[in-house]
Amino acid sequence: EVQLLESGGGLEQPGGSLRVSCAASGFTFSSSAMHWVRQAPGKGLEWVSGVTYDGYDTYYADSVKGRFTISRDNSKNSLYLQMNSLRPEDTATYYCARRQPYSRTFDIWGQGTMVIVSS
Amino acid sequence: QSALTQPASVSGSPGQSISISCTGTSSDVGRYNYVSWYQKHPGEAPKLIIYDVTNRPSGVSNRFSGSKSGNTASLTISGLQPEDEADYYCSSFTGTTTLQYVFGTGTEVTVL
Repeated sequence: EVQLLESGGGLEQPGGSLRVSCAASGFTFSSSAMHWVRQAPGKGLEWVSGVTYDGYDTYYADSVKGRFTISRDNSKNSLYLQMNSLRPEDTATYYCARRQPYSRTFDIWGQGTMVIVSS
Repeated sequence: QSALTQPASVSGSPGQSISISCTGTSSDVGRYNYVSWYQKHPGEAPKLIIYDVTNRPSGVSNRFSGSKSGNTASLTISGLQPEDEADYYCSSFTGTTTLQYVFGTGTEVTVL
């Protein structure tokens, strides 16, 4: 079964750090570009970050650039998002998503992990 | 670069057809044929229903169709069914490194 499973969310204070993970199964993870998309409570979807299949190129939204780092371990079929200098506006459900091969769309999504930044 | 503009809500009766617009700019929707539509039920992961403007993934009902004209894309749901009640988001590839993808503001579809 094709699946993405996020973990690592939780409550963190402003200025703190958190790392969320995404475990992939059922498809060739090492051949897939991967992304993080978030949804703040009551808000719409927002693209956060992306990484090429080999981890060589990474991309970030302006809102997280310099604070978040995306990475992957193809030997573990896992995607990560290291979040530093967290702000209350980073409070959201974080989804990992696969970019569909030969397209610019996200065809596989995880169930999400909630990150709350509050004192 | 701002979010793509969608109507906040659209409603229809079972069996009717509805359309949701998604307005961007010449830098995103108007530039690339990489518009996608996602269906999202509360508490669930987004589900891809249309990609590359008009294509439906395997397993998605043919009641869903997409189109684009200039800077505006549209999603049409024909033969509206109760299970179509959800939030719908459009998205476009932008090609920039600091905002590779831009999403729409989201549309709540209500089946009356």
